[in-house]
Amino acid sequence: GAVVSQHPSWVICKSGTSVKIECRSLDFQATTMFWYRQFPKQSLMLMATSNEGSKATYEQGVEKDKFLINHASLTLSTLTVTSAHPEDSSFYICSARGDSGGAYEQFFGPGTRLTVL
Amino acid sequence: QKEVEQNSGPLSVPEGAIASLNCTYSDRGSQSFFWYRQYSGKSPELIMSIYSNGDKEDGRFTAQLNKASQYVSLLIRDSQPSDSATYLCAIRGGFQKLVFGTGTRLLVSP
Repeated sequence: GAVVSQHPSWVICKSGTSVKIECRSLDFQATTMFWYRQFPKQSLMLMATSNEGSKATYEQGVEKDKFLINHASLTLSTLTVTSAHPEDSSFYICSARGDSGGAYEQFFGPGTRLTVL
Repeated sequence: QKEVEQNSGPLSVPEGAIASLNCTYSDRGSQSFFWYRQYSGKSPELIMSIYSNGDKEDGRFTAQLNKASQYVSLLIRDSQPSDSATYLCAIRGGFQKLVFGTGTRLLVSP
């Protein structure tokens, strides 16, 4: 149980284009999902927290107009990187918080590697 | 002071030995603690969660929590080369967000 999927697993795009990443909780309902970014040899950086049916809460320094987050259902959240630039190339990981035997734990998707040319 | 501190390592242990990974935290009110394993190029994988003082065992893994001293540790018994990874300590902070340490890199040599 507690499986989180992400699609695509990797994407290469040209500078200036937009990329959408999907995050799904496959076997549980996730009222809260988190989006992280990780650069090589660095720790996870939380970008935003999204709750189903409401606007995402962005961390300081994260441009909400550039990183659009939609959490339309209890099993799906999307991150759209708009007008991507090479400096946006990174490993994007979503995480979903779900009930695991009464204790809320956070499970990560496999990540999406974005390369912007 | 960082909220969650870990030694970056690498921690090198021979195969079959016990690996001991430590983590300290600054928020005395923290109630939920987690250990994640992250292989290079992969996303974190939840190994253990612990909420009460004392030890919690799951297979070869034992998590230890001492709230009075504000530390949490992870012991890996009979370490295997496949355990070589970065181990992330995390605490649940405000708004249900996880606060991660920078991770300890573990190397298990055959």
